[in-house]
Formats: sequence, structure tokens, C-alpha cells
Amino acid sequence: DAGVIQSPRHEVTEMGQEVTLRCKPISGHNSLFWYRQTMMRGLELLIYFNNNVPIDDSGMPEDRFSAKMPNASFSTLKIQPSEPRDSAVYFCASSFGASEAFFGQGTRLTVV
Amino acid sequence: GIQVEQSPPDLILQEGANSTLRCNFSDSVNNLQWFHQNPWGQLINLFYIPSGTKQNGRLSATTVATERYSLLYISSSQTTDSGVYFCAGTGSGGSYIPTFGRGTSLIVHP
Repeated sequence: DAGVIQSPRHEVTEMGQEVTLRCKPISGHNSLFWYRQTMMRGLELLIYFNNNVPIDDSGMPEDRFSAKMPNASFSTLKIQPSEPRDSAVYFCASSFGASEAFFGQGTRLTVV
Repeated sequence: GIQVEQSPPDLILQEGANSTLRCNFSDSVNNLQWFHQNPWGQLINLFYIPSGTKQNGRLSATTVATERYSLLYISSSQTTDSGVYFCAGTGSGGSYIPTFGRGTSLIVHP
């Protein structure tokens, strides 16, 4: 398996623009997580899907953030409109149930 | 959810030295993982260790679930061991969400 695949690896956008981050989990995994990493807050969970259904979105900062998982092999995290404080590294991870989680390489987002 | 504390927050070693990193949990965990974040930002799986001891080369890990802690041992450290080490635990209340500590930043000097 190729592991968890995220795209793009880097994204630079202007404040106010829409940003879409993409994730392909490991085949057969039924749990998917989106995390955000900043120096100030470390690795924080944004949203957790199980069997394509959002289970816990309490970490989503505000209404500007939304996430979808239309099928078992694809998820998106969208920020609209983006703000400079959204600049961070966004990670997607997947697992089978509560077993070992594997992370993608992350998307480094810079909002200017 | 559970709280995860890692210590020490920072560690500087000379190449060849040994070290022990610690992870404490506020509550019981079903699963425990150790990761290494390399200088390029990639999170590398080191150990999946809900309990007991595992070894992989110069690295080993021990989780004592009943006492709510896990240890990561690095022996004969190398400069390539530099980076940030994270532990993450999944609570026993039916949540599948790994909760991360703030990490231990390790620098190994040649």
C-alpha cells in the first residue's frame, strides 16, 4: 500500500481565498482523522470520521472549516475564507478502528 | 478525553549517548503509539504498544497500562535520531481518536 496520500504538499494562498486539502486513506481503513499542527497548539484533532460518517468535529475551529468524506477512499478539508491564522501543517491519518494510525506527509498551508 | 504529558520537553545529547523519554496518561488507554517527526515534518510510526515491551534496533518501548505511562528508550543515539518524538494514546471509552502529547524535541550532536 502507498500509505496515506495527501495533496497538495504545499499551498500558498491569499487571505480570503478558498483552500481545499485532499486525503486518500489506506485501503481497508475505516477511521480517518484530520489534524492541524502549529507551534503554539501542537497536534490537535480537527475532525474524526468512522465509516465515512463524521463522529467528532469538536476540533473544527469555526464555520470557515468544513470536511467531507464522500466515500471510503477520499476526504477533503475545506477552508473558506482562509485567514493568515490558518497557516499550519494539516495532517490526515487513517486506521482500522482503534488500531495503529498512519499519517500522510501533511500539507503545509501558508495564507498571506 | 485523556490528557497526555511528555517529558522532558527538550533533550540534547552527544552522539552515542542513551536516553529515556516518558509519556504519562490521565486515564486508561487502549492503544499507545510512539512517532518520530523528522526534520522534514514527516510523522514516522515507531511503535504501536498498548502494553508490554517491544524493541526495534536501537529503540525500544515499554508501556505499563495499569500505571498509565509509557517509556521510549534510545540507545547509542545518532544524529539521524534528531527530531521530535510524540506519543499518542487512544482512550478506553470507545473513542478511536489518538490524543497527542506536546512531544520531546531531541537534538543529537556529532
